This record gives sequence, C-alpha cells and structure tokens, in this order.
Amino acid sequence: DAKTTQPPSMDCAEGRAANLPCNHSTISGNEYVYWYRQIHSQGPQYIIHGLKNNETNEMASLIITEDRKSSTLILPHATLRDTAVYYCIVRMFSGGYQKVTFGTGTKLQVIP
Amino acid sequence: DAGVIQSPRHEVTEMGQEVTLRCKPISGHDYLFWYRQTMMRGLELLIYFNNNVPIDDSGMPEDRFSAKMPNASFSTLKIQPSEPRDSAVYFCASSSSDRNYEQYFGPGTRLTVT
Repeated sequence: DAKTTQPPSMDCAEGRAANLPCNHSTISGNEYVYWYRQIHSQGPQYIIHGLKNNETNEMASLIITEDRKSSTLILPHATLRDTAVYYCIVRMFSGGYQKVTFGTGTKLQVIP
Repeated sequence: DAGVIQSPRHEVTEMGQEVTLRCKPISGHDYLFWYRQTMMRGLELLIYFNNNVPIDDSGMPEDRFSAKMPNASFSTLKIQPSEPRDSAVYFCASSSSDRNYEQYFGPGTRLTVT
C-alpha cells in the first residue's frame, strides 16, 4: 500500500470549513484514497473514499488532484463534535484484500 | 443493528495471567479484524478473518497471542501469558465483502497488565 503524509495537527474555527490535506505521491493506478476518523477513546469511523473523481457524502467531500498524488478532505461546517484524529489511507479496493494500514493521522481541533 | 460488540470494555490483570478478549461482529459481515492501539505504535492490524478463516496474521506480535473465530458471530483474542507491554486498547472491526471499503469498529477493550 502507498505511504501517506499528513500534518500532525490542525485547528479550525467552529462553523468554518475544515480542509485536511494528504500527500500520497507514490499512489498507483488501482489504489483508492480512504478517510477514517477517530474521536477520542472510540473506534475509528469510515468517512469517505474515492479513486480519481471528487466525492461527496453526508459527512464530507473528498477532492483528489488530477495527478492523484494528493487529496483534501473537506468538512464543510465543522462542529465541536468533529474534533478527532483523521486518517488518510491509500489501498487497493479488491474483493479479497482487506488490509488497512493506519498512519499517524491529523489531529483536528475545532475551536468554539 | 447493535454494531460490533466487544467485551470486556476494561480489563486489568497481573503479568503472567491469561487474558481473553471477545468480539461479536455485525450480523452478515464476513470479515473480522483485530487491531491494537498504543501511543507509541498507533493503530496496528493484528489479524483478520474472512468467513471465519484467518487470512493474514502477520501483525500478531508473538506466540503469546492467538485468535480464533469458531463461527460467524464470535471471535476471541487471547494473550497467554500477558506482559505489561501488552497494555493497549484492542479494537475489533467487521466489514462485508460487498462494501469492503468500510470497516465498522467496536468500542474497544482497554487492557492494563500490571
């Protein structure tokens, strides 16, 4: 699986958009970008994933650059409950391959 | 659905004792994962099962650790004998093959070995 690089921490004002970057310059053509988050003392929670097109769901938006070497997770209106560690993961999306490698992530602090 | 269920939520034991952690995956999910999380090493995958069969146990730290999945609704992670360095939060997660991008995590078991 390709290696990812994320800033260790970020702050965001409540109500503003939180933009969390991720570099994955060694990503290969069949690898997807996934995002999970972990709120303090809870298990990680899936947020969103994508291959090359931008994706949006009820939780967030995922913007992947055209060369796929980086991506940004966007929380459009951050709330205090979005304070968590956010993990960017790159791996193949294959029916038989399930291994997910979590890095150190970005600790997002939403400030009132 | 109740989600992934883990027990106990907290376990305190003395070095040398056997520890058994339990997990009930979400009904219908055919993949089950065991993770360990510490401040030093972050979140590590220990082992995962597909249809009750262990697929990859390369993350199991040593022979003191063993995991079983006797049926689709139950799995155990056993540490025997336990050591202080095994202190961590152990998470169980499950997923289904038709939505394998999304793993559902349980609340975790916080293990303290004194």
